[in-house]
Amino acid sequence: DAGVIQSPRHEVTEMGQEVTLRCKPISGHNSLFWYRQTMMRGLELLIYFNNNVPIDDSGMPEDRFSAKMPNASFSTLKIQPSEPRDSAVYFCASSHGQGSDNEQFFGPGTRLTVL
Amino acid sequence: DAKTTQPPSMDCAEGRAANLPCNHSTISGNEYVYWYRQIHSQGPQYIIHGLKNNETNEMASLIITEDRKSSTLILPHATLRDTAVYYCIVRGKAAGNKLTFGGGTRVLVKP
Repeated sequence: DAGVIQSPRHEVTEMGQEVTLRCKPISGHNSLFWYRQTMMRGLELLIYFNNNVPIDDSGMPEDRFSAKMPNASFSTLKIQPSEPRDSAVYFCASSHGQGSDNEQFFGPGTRLTVL
Repeated sequence: DAKTTQPPSMDCAEGRAANLPCNHSTISGNEYVYWYRQIHSQGPQYIIHGLKNNETNEMASLIITEDRKSSTLILPHATLRDTAVYYCIVRGKAAGNKLTFGGGTRVLVKP
């Protein structure tokens, strides 16, 4: 099992540019999560999907952020336009089933630097 | 979800047991206690979870007090590779799939 796959692993971009982060969940998992981690705010949930449908996007910081899950094996998190304060490590995670008795498996993260 | 309180940091000697405490005094009956850890520059890793009974797996043991207001994660024989930030999370039906991470305990295993 390859685990959760994220790409790119590192991204450096300039302010104002569009950034797209990608995630492939573990095969068979039907829930997918996007988290952001910074020194100041720690690890925060941005959005999560169940069966490809966004369930809770209350953590998405603002309209510059958008996430999609076109099918069960792929999701994107897009930032347009990017700003220096978006610099963080973005993690994708997946789990099987819903509810509070399911563990989440995290990917290695994408380290984003916006100059 | 109930909030958790963990010490910000602790040291442990290699080869000894590491006992990581967590207080969750406002936990409700249907909320689980989860433990994750995050090794530097990696994604969080699931360790163990429990509801009422003590749990053990290949990584650790979870001891939950009878009143469920606190718990202890036990790493039986700590190694240098166990150096990480350990997060105690309480998660219930109201949260659905959501995990809310706090500050965690930074554990340093020393030789």
